[in-house]
Amino acid sequence: QKEVEQDPGPLSVPEGAIVSLNCTYSNSAFQYFMWYRQYSRKGPELLMYTYSSGNKEDGRFTAQVDKSSKYISLFIRDSQPSDSATYLCAMAGNNRKLIWGLGTSLAVNP
Amino acid sequence: EAQVTQNPRYLITVTGKKLTVTCSQNMNHEYMSWYRQDPGLGLRQIYYSMNVEVTDKGDVPEGYKVSRKEKRNFPLILESPSPNQTSLYFCASSPGRDLFRLAVNTGELFFGEGSRLTVL
Repeated sequence: QKEVEQDPGPLSVPEGAIVSLNCTYSNSAFQYFMWYRQYSRKGPELLMYTYSSGNKEDGRFTAQVDKSSKYISLFIRDSQPSDSATYLCAMAGNNRKLIWGLGTSLAVNP
Repeated sequence: EAQVTQNPRYLITVTGKKLTVTCSQNMNHEYMSWYRQDPGLGLRQIYYSMNVEVTDKGDVPEGYKVSRKEKRNFPLILESPSPNQTSLYFCASSPGRDLFRLAVNTGELFFGEGSRLTVL
């Protein structure tokens, strides 16, 4: 079993939809959680960072961490065609070693 | 402009021909790392460096070498490339040695645009 599981998709939604992206993990020691966005032919860029549990909101993006279920989510409200990208989750414990999900490919159709 | 610059962006080479992929960052970052990204395997760390003259193996170091003689540069060397090293390579940097030193870093890695390498 992989330490981090992420459905690769692809996920296709109409413009304006609410998008939910998820990762599950098995290591209860993880406490640093990140979402990166990767556009085609580009390097990943940090979108959201959460330490431990809880929610974090930034504009149209909300990151949630449920440590009891070992489950993290990224919600995108009012999705736009410019949100079309691959979304990677990443997480780490006290050893600071980043463990990456495989990424979910998202297409937002006008 | 703050950036991580990799060269070359695209390269086709043959088995056994030594090559170097350069990486340079202009943000005075202490931490630098190399990743490869493959379908179905995701991002895997090859080597990382927390400071000048300090390098450590990541998850898939076999067949690669790195050096960190200056803070800004972190070249990736393939001494004798093989077809299984065909991949998309990313260099990344981060401000502090500790990716998650609270109130200072947020675990953010700044990635280059990638170098697509094909070994025939």
